[in-house]
Amino acid sequence: DVKVTQSSRYLVKRTGEKVFLECVQDMDHENMFWYRQDPGLGLRLIYFSYDVKMKEKGDIPEGYSVSREKKERFSLILESASTNQTSMYLCASSHSRDVNYEQYFGPGTRLTVT
Amino acid sequence: DAKTTQPNSMESNEEEPVHLPCNHSTISGTDYIHWYRQLPSQGPEYVIHGLTSNVNNRMASLAIAEDRKSSTLILHRATLRDAAVYYCILRAPFFGNEKLTFGTGTRLTIIP
Repeated sequence: DVKVTQSSRYLVKRTGEKVFLECVQDMDHENMFWYRQDPGLGLRLIYFSYDVKMKEKGDIPEGYSVSREKKERFSLILESASTNQTSMYLCASSHSRDVNYEQYFGPGTRLTVT
Repeated sequence: DAKTTQPNSMESNEEEPVHLPCNHSTISGTDYIHWYRQLPSQGPEYVIHGLTSNVNNRMASLAIAEDRKSSTLILHRATLRDAAVYYCILRAPFFGNEKLTFGTGTRLTIIP
């Protein structure tokens, strides 16, 4: 079974802190994604990566950066956390950019910024 | 982007079939219909997808209308584990369109 793991299920940080969210997949997938999910707003793409050291901005990249030094790992960085970044963060991976390939999601990290 | 419309919620009895509808009247000829679901406190999970023909897999069946303006996800025998929010989405087969965009979905409740 494909496994996407995220470093924390729950995280509480203070405003202004630098926050690292880690995601690891074990299926040698080329593509990895970071989304956030908020009530009433659905799922929104922050960044994605289709290869090591490659990244593309999604719909809401402001306030975030990413790092992909190894194929299996994709990190989301909040440079200076703010209360409006309180959300559920979901990492996903897929074998290909082709729409016939599904995305596999991790369990999510619920981040609270106080 | 073409949009989908789903009922906000549905209920079904355990061990009975469930038909989850989705309307997508503005679908383009190349859009694929995908279904994902999200169990409580978990990340979304792929269920099934199709283009024109009906599709079956171990989890569910997807029935696509002949004009492709609607589709129905069929769970043949619902279990308590199928209680989740089900999302119907359209995906165009172009690079640069990799993101998944979920709406509000249908919250399925299974009654024991």
